[in-house]
Amino acid sequence: GAVVSQHPSWVICKSGTSVKIECRSLDFQATTMFWYRQFPKQSLMLMATSNEGSKATYEQGVEKDKFLINHASLTLSTLTVTSAHPEDSSFYICSARIGGQGNEKLFFGSGTQLSVL
Amino acid sequence: GQQLNQSPQSMFIQEGEDVSMNCTSSSIFNTWLWYKQDPGEGPVLLIALYKAGELTSNGRLTAQFGITRKDSFLNISASIPSDVGIYFCAGRVSGTYKYIFGTGTRLKVLA
Repeated sequence: GAVVSQHPSWVICKSGTSVKIECRSLDFQATTMFWYRQFPKQSLMLMATSNEGSKATYEQGVEKDKFLINHASLTLSTLTVTSAHPEDSSFYICSARIGGQGNEKLFFGSGTQLSVL
Repeated sequence: GQQLNQSPQSMFIQEGEDVSMNCTSSSIFNTWLWYKQDPGEGPVLLIALYKAGELTSNGRLTAQFGITRKDSFLNISASIPSDVGIYFCAGRVSGTYKYIFGTGTRLKVLA
């Protein structure tokens, strides 16, 4: 399958600081990537759709100024958690879409565990 | 909003047994993807389904796209200890490229 690399795997930061998470498609180009958030023992919740060369589309209830998404190239999307607070602590996972109608798939990165002190 | 309910929520089975789980919704989906997630890792794609009624296998795993397009099923035959994990279904929201995830089925295999 296609490979999606996510970095860093974990990060600890102080409250009020910003954290950037990178998501790269290593062996394919992805015009669309997705960012999910997962709390312990819960499912994945879609935060936003990242579109190459255009603004991200955020799900209802997700603050776009809080979670900045940039998709500057066909292989890289970044999520920046701005002015992080303890309630932002979570497991963040990106995915990249490959293929088209009838054969599309989503491949996921390995996730980033964010802990805000 | 749209929800995908998975059943059962969790299950303990003996090694060698077959496992069945399902994913249901009140909404129609055009694509179903099944994933397995280990602790602290991202989900790994197991099977993809694109047409109502489609039945697809991947080794010991078999999944089906429900005829009504509102549900999907995953079967694991002859379970082994490494099948332990959380299984998620994901459905593509009609008219979009977005996927929403089911509530998950936590599988534990007793050797």
